[in-house]
Amino acid sequence: AQTVTQSQPEMSVQEAETVTLSCTYDTSESDYYLFWYKQPPSRQMILVIRQEAYKQQNATENRFSVNFQKAAKSFSLKISDSQLGDAAMYFCAYRQYGNKLVFGAGTILRVKS
Amino acid sequence: DTAVSQTPKYLVTQMGNDKSIKCEQNLGHDTMYWYKQDSKKFLKIMFSYNNKELIINETVPNRFSPKSPDKAHLNLHINSLELGDSAVYFCASSPEGTLNTGELFFGEGSRLTVL
Repeated sequence: AQTVTQSQPEMSVQEAETVTLSCTYDTSESDYYLFWYKQPPSRQMILVIRQEAYKQQNATENRFSVNFQKAAKSFSLKISDSQLGDAAMYFCAYRQYGNKLVFGAGTILRVKS
Repeated sequence: DTAVSQTPKYLVTQMGNDKSIKCEQNLGHDTMYWYKQDSKKFLKIMFSYNNKELIINETVPNRFSPKSPDKAHLNLHINSLELGDSAVYFCASSPEGTLNTGELFFGEGSRLTVL
């Protein structure tokens, strides 16, 4: 069964600085998707960034970028120029094509002003 | 326009009662899901339907019964509620086929509290 591991229960970052959230996953598949979702206190699940496993290029969305290491099964999220609005729970997730989305346990990100 | 909408957003009820949570999506997606987020924030899939057909049924007590009257709706009925059913329940949908980006689109969640 696929598993997703987020080893950092909680992280803190100073406003305007950079923080990296870690994620590893376990799969025997070669084609799949990886995601980072953000859940602010409003509890809405918001997609931050997605990566398709066949693409070697790391995905970027404005201040958010990933470091995707397929062989190491690692998918970390880098948030640059952190803002107060980035404070939330961040979930790493894996999805095999046509299958369910499997989440990690989440990392709480606190942003200090 | 809300893409995936759930009602009610909050539900407080007594043990032993039966309750339902409704979900509707206006995205034209083929697949819908129910996820449960427990008190530790862990998200786990419960059910998935594709075009009204059940395709994923995780190890969930049979007190939980999903119903999909059409592909835009997936309701969750829970019988004989227990304290451990207290959680936030998320409905989600995703496109399949050529529109498939892998992404799930989530509703705002329904917080169920069983007293």
